[in-house]
Amino acid sequence: GAGVSQSPRYKVAKRGQDVALRCDPISGHVSLFWYQQALGQGPEFLTYFQNEAQLDKSGLPSDRFFAERPEGSVSTLKIQRTQQEDSAVYLCASRDRGLYEQFFGPGTRLTVL
Amino acid sequence: GQQLNQSPQSMFIQEGEDVSMNCTSSSIFNTWLWYKQEPGEGPVLLIALYKAGELTSNGRLTAQFGITRKDSFLNISASIPSDVGIYFCAGTGANSKLTFGKGITLSVRP
Repeated sequence: GAGVSQSPRYKVAKRGQDVALRCDPISGHVSLFWYQQALGQGPEFLTYFQNEAQLDKSGLPSDRFFAERPEGSVSTLKIQRTQQEDSAVYLCASRDRGLYEQFFGPGTRLTVL
Repeated sequence: GQQLNQSPQSMFIQEGEDVSMNCTSSSIFNTWLWYKQEPGEGPVLLIALYKAGELTSNGRLTAQFGITRKDSFLNISASIPSDVGIYFCAGTGANSKLTFGKGITLSVRP
């Protein structure tokens, strides 16, 4: 079946612009995660949804970052007033009920100029 | 944020050689996962480990969950050129999120 998909794959924003990144999880997967991966680093946790409920947002770096999953399927990560330090790859992962394995999408590479 | 310890940062091996990678943590994890990432792609799951002491194989890959639950290793046997990539270990506990290492970049010389 289809894996996790993310769009856009690449996004260039001017400093101060708002961006929205989309994630389509594997069909039927209850849990959805967002991670941020800086160059040369491992992914770092941002936030986690179970169905439409955001259960953990402890990794969001500032109140400029906002995520939603209103119908328990597709999720959007929004970054307001982007800064240069927001430049990174944003990865989405989904997980089936009762399992620990997370499956990742290809990521969105965000470059803030 | 917290990251698991993976070293060295890069490894260079000859095609056909075996290679072993280690991952350590100051915290206990309930599950250890090993991922491989290639340029421009997301991490791909290789092996998942669920119990302390567990040894699991997936083709030429073998991984073990340390007895202390604070470490894991991944072994790749008879390496081939397509093994090139960045290998990440990741641990998860009751809070569901994955904590990753910085990754080891593997290069395979033909």
